Amino acid sequence: NAGVTQTPKFQVLKTGQSMTLQCAQDMNHNSMYWYRQDPGMGLRLIYYSASEGTTDKGEVPNGYNVSRLNKREFSLRLESAAPSQTSVYFCASSRRDRGSWETQYFGPGTRLLVL
Amino acid sequence: LAKTTQPISMDSYEGQEVNITCSHNNIATNDYITWYQQFPSQGPRFIIQGYKTKVTNEVASLFIPADRKSSTLSLPRVSLSDTAVYYCLVVTSLGGNMLTFGGGTRLMVKP
Repeated sequence: NAGVTQTPKFQVLKTGQSMTLQCAQDMNHNSMYWYRQDPGMGLRLIYYSASEGTTDKGEVPNGYNVSRLNKREFSLRLESAAPSQTSVYFCASSRRDRGSWETQYFGPGTRLLVL
Repeated sequence: LAKTTQPISMDSYEGQEVNITCSHNNIATNDYITWYQQFPSQGPRFIIQGYKTKVTNEVASLFIPADRKSSTLSLPRVSLSDTAVYYCLVVTSLGGNMLTFGGGTRLMVKP
């Protein structure tokens, strides 16, 4: 049981390049999330997927797109990277049941540097 | 969603008990309190959550007074490995709402 896995661990991009960050979970969770964390700051939600086939914007969605490929996988795409997107990206998953308490499980993060 | 306020940083020594208090004056009836821990270069890790009174697990205790406007995370006998950032979050049980991480409390445990 690997939990939440993310690839790549580290990436350097030039301004304008595109890339996709991959995330997978093996806990059979319905909900998945993408956060970014800038140095010395808390996490900010980019996009989330409450269930397979659905995605919604979070606090900072501009410049990103997501795909919930299936229940296990949730990818984050940067179409045209900008230096402001230099950050650490965390994927998380949870079993969101209405009326219950949610615990999110986080991946190890992807460190992205945009030059 | 209720905003949380917690100290920016705290220092402690090995073997001491550490209490981190979080205020959440606007907490709603359907909200509960959750604490996460984050080590450098890692994703946050769930520690404990509760609604009222006291909750204890193998890692920490969470104290929530009757008015629920604050909560205190208690770490017994900390060690160097407890050096981390601790986030207090207020989460609704109604669903449809996401975790909102503030700046957290940076705990430094010294030998």
